[in-house]
Amino acid sequence: SYVLTQPPSVSVAPGKTARITCGDDNIGTKSVHWYQQKPGQAPVLVVYDDSDRPSGIPERFSGSNSGNTATLTISRVEAGDEADYYCQVWDPTSDHPNVFGTGTKVTVL
Amino acid sequence: EVQLVESGGGLIQPGGSLRLSCAASGFTVSRTYMTWVRQAPGKGLEWVAVIYSGGNTDYADSVKGRFTISRDSLKNTLFLQMNSLRAEDTAMYYCARQIQNYGDYYFDYWGQGTLLTVSS
Repeated sequence: SYVLTQPPSVSVAPGKTARITCGDDNIGTKSVHWYQQKPGQAPVLVVYDDSDRPSGIPERFSGSNSGNTATLTISRVEAGDEADYYCQVWDPTSDHPNVFGTGTKVTVL
Repeated sequence: EVQLVESGGGLIQPGGSLRLSCAASGFTVSRTYMTWVRQAPGKGLEWVAVIYSGGNTDYADSVKGRFTISRDSLKNTLFLQMNSLRAEDTAMYYCARQIQNYGDYYFDYWGQGTLLTVSS
């Protein structure tokens, strides 16, 4: 199995845009899903299928995926967005189909 | 409303056994993929095991041969039997529902987690 590469940390000022990347060879050929995890809480799905949002997730959260990089973008960042973010893919060609990213800590300055 | 409630965690000595439970409501566990994901203290998410709707199972290499995932349709509950526990199994264990969308799968609901500590 393998893991998807994410930057360990991203810092952003309130009101600005945060971009979190998730890298792997040809990840653009897979669907990428993103989870937000606040301290002491379970993960929450924020983006699925590269760019779709579950109900209740603000439009400020968006995603894209192309080539070797998928990106979660958080626009107009708020203090409440401070959390760890994980990407995930379903890869049935792998030894084990569920693959998570290494995780990114988003700090709001 | 979909809910997942884990239980069964605790402090166990190395080499011991424990069974985690995940009681589901609002959907039928046997009709979907159900997964255990764990998170060691201060670490990232690690997929542990999945049971498919057809009953087949798959395990991470780190737990294969020691952990067994199963479900009880009558109780609508997911289980994780953990044997030969090691210190490195110490983690918060989450159960999660994994749903399909055009041949792809993601986790749409998660439980609150149950903490396992393996220590002498």
